[in-house]
Amino acid sequence: GENVEQHPSTLSVQEGDSAVIKCTYSDSASNYFPWYKQELGKGPQLIIDIRSNVGEKKDQRIAVTLNKTAKHFSLHITETQPEDSAVYFCAANNAGGTSYGKLTFGQGTILTVHP
Amino acid sequence: ETGVTQTPRHLVMGMTNKKSLKCEQHLGHNAMYWYKQSAKKPLELMFVYNFKEQTENNSVPSRFSPECPNSSHLFLHLHTLQPEDSALYLCASSQDWGNGGHSYEQYFGPGTRLTVT
Repeated sequence: GENVEQHPSTLSVQEGDSAVIKCTYSDSASNYFPWYKQELGKGPQLIIDIRSNVGEKKDQRIAVTLNKTAKHFSLHITETQPEDSAVYFCAANNAGGTSYGKLTFGQGTILTVHP
Repeated sequence: ETGVTQTPRHLVMGMTNKKSLKCEQHLGHNAMYWYKQSAKKPLELMFVYNFKEQTENNSVPSRFSPECPNSSHLFLHLHTLQPEDSALYLCASSQDWGNGGHSYEQYFGPGTRLTVT
């Protein structure tokens, strides 16, 4: 089955700096890669996703890059703000066969943005 | 609010108790999911339902019994749990994937914090 590794486990930055979180996956057939943000007391919320036919996607201060050859994808947050502080999860899915909806998550990264 | 509600938000139960977790989605989705989130472990998919039919059981012990009476409601019945089952149980929903083979965003509820004593 799929295995997703996420690094770093904790990340501390100053407000205004950039933050980068990296994930690797094992199943070359995976083709959908979402990123979720989880704040205290809440469930994860999708912030951005990318499909395997695209190498990069950007939404304001957030971007995701995908390298299918190396089987890794990264989340980039620019101009970080204190409200970006949360736990971030990457995930991978092979939307084929009987695997629809079956997301495999990374271990999570605790991001702290200091004012 | 994500459109997915879960009750109760907190639950303490003994190992011999029987309890149920409830999830309801107001998004018109046809796929629903149960996840387990433990400290220092990744989110673990437990069950997937598509149009009320179970499509995934991720080797979950039989002391966890899911029920999906319709596309808007999902239950997780619990009995004779172990202390290691203490965790945050998250419900999610998404559009169904139909015949096109396309993954969609999953919307999560706030979870039920379960403590087994």
